[in-house]
Amino acid sequence: NAGVTQTPKFQVLKTGQSMTLQCAQDMNHEYMSWYRQDPGMGLRLIHYSVGAGITDQGEVPNGYNVSRSTTEDFPLRLLSAAPSQTSVYFCASSYDRHSYGYTFGSGTRLTVV
Amino acid sequence: DAKTTQPNSMESNEEEPVHLPCNHSTISGTDYIHWYRQLPSQGPEYVIHGLTSNVNNRMASLAIAEDRKSSTLILHRATLRDAAVYYCILRDETKSSGDKLTFGTGTRLAVRP
Repeated sequence: NAGVTQTPKFQVLKTGQSMTLQCAQDMNHEYMSWYRQDPGMGLRLIHYSVGAGITDQGEVPNGYNVSRSTTEDFPLRLLSAAPSQTSVYFCASSYDRHSYGYTFGSGTRLTVV
Repeated sequence: DAKTTQPNSMESNEEEPVHLPCNHSTISGTDYIHWYRQLPSQGPEYVIHGLTSNVNNRMASLAIAEDRKSSTLILHRATLRDAAVYYCILRDETKSSGDKLTFGTGTRLAVRP
């Protein structure tokens, strides 16, 4: 099925560990984004990309790293996990700036202990 | 960037119309008004968007004030499945800032059976 696939769905990390959240889309979308959502709050943009090889920072980029080597994939790396990074992470994609809607993945729930 | 203001929460009865307001008094002439909603434990989904004229689709209608300083998302017959957080977002598709979505805290809609 076409869409945005995020893996894993759940993850528990210890403080200081690193990991990569995976995001893949099969819709040939140029635009991809990563958001985090803390309990009871709206989504905050971490990093985004407007095409392969192009990334930019969003509102809350510290502690996260991204790269975009292919159109399909946009992994999010946590360099050294901290309890403050406990959150639900959403990946989204869109064809371009003018297309009418972003498609969101189902999220990764991350707990850092 | 132009900001939006929405009520924190609203309630509706099932099968009745719902009008969700959004104020955006500092909207620019090139800002599109987008609406997304987020069902419990899911990623956001696109609902509707418009620039100046009222818009209709299978999910909802968007009524835009003549001065564009406010808009209203209309659900014609609320169902229990419409219980969600609704986000009103401005997006300038003529600028690089339009490469991303900026979410506020949205309106949490409760639907009573």
